[in-house]
Amino acid sequence: GNSVTQMEGPVTLSEEAFLTINCTYTATGYPSLFWYVQYPGEGLQLLLKATKADDKGSNKGFEATYRKETTSFHLEKGSVQVSDSAVYFCALSVGGYNKLIFGAGTRLAVHP
Amino acid sequence: DVKVTQSSRYLVKRTGEKVFLECVQDMDHENMFWYRQDPGLGLRLIYFSYDVKMKEKGDIPEGYSVSREKKERFSLILESASTNQTSMYLCASRGGGGATSTDTQYFGPGTRLTVL
Repeated sequence: GNSVTQMEGPVTLSEEAFLTINCTYTATGYPSLFWYVQYPGEGLQLLLKATKADDKGSNKGFEATYRKETTSFHLEKGSVQVSDSAVYFCALSVGGYNKLIFGAGTRLAVHP
Repeated sequence: DVKVTQSSRYLVKRTGEKVFLECVQDMDHENMFWYRQDPGLGLRLIYFSYDVKMKEKGDIPEGYSVSREKKERFSLILESASTNQTSMYLCASRGGGGATSTDTQYFGPGTRLTVL
């Protein structure tokens, strides 16, 4: 079946550190891949997406590359800020109605 | 900007009560979704709707029903609330080219439901 596995948190970093959150997926067909972010007390917001192999999604300094050969979509940022503290969800979309299937989420805490 | 609103941020109900969670979107989106969010499990799809009066079961529909009488409104119903339905409920909507669109889903702020 279709599933998403992402690294367990929490991830705790100092400001300006490099961030990687790993995400791998299993899917039939050719999924689109997404990263959503949930700030405290809010709903989810789309952070970035990629719809085909080798595409790179980017937004607000975050990047992720759709790697079909390793079935991965790792999220990276070169220099995190305190305001990046949130829960990050990796997701895929596949199938007749393009439903989203989410990973468990990874909590990021950035300290000054 | 797309706006998805949910009727309550926090709700406390008793076991056996009938519970209605309302979701409204203002962008004329065809597709609407209900998820529940639980720690360590991410978001799981309960039901979705791709048009007025149309509904499809998601991954965990047991104990829930939905209603979509108007395009902008999608209601989640717990016929007889139970303690294992204590959770965060998130509504989302998506526009684009109909049911198979890969366009972005936009989420509401969530309703934290506690069933005592």
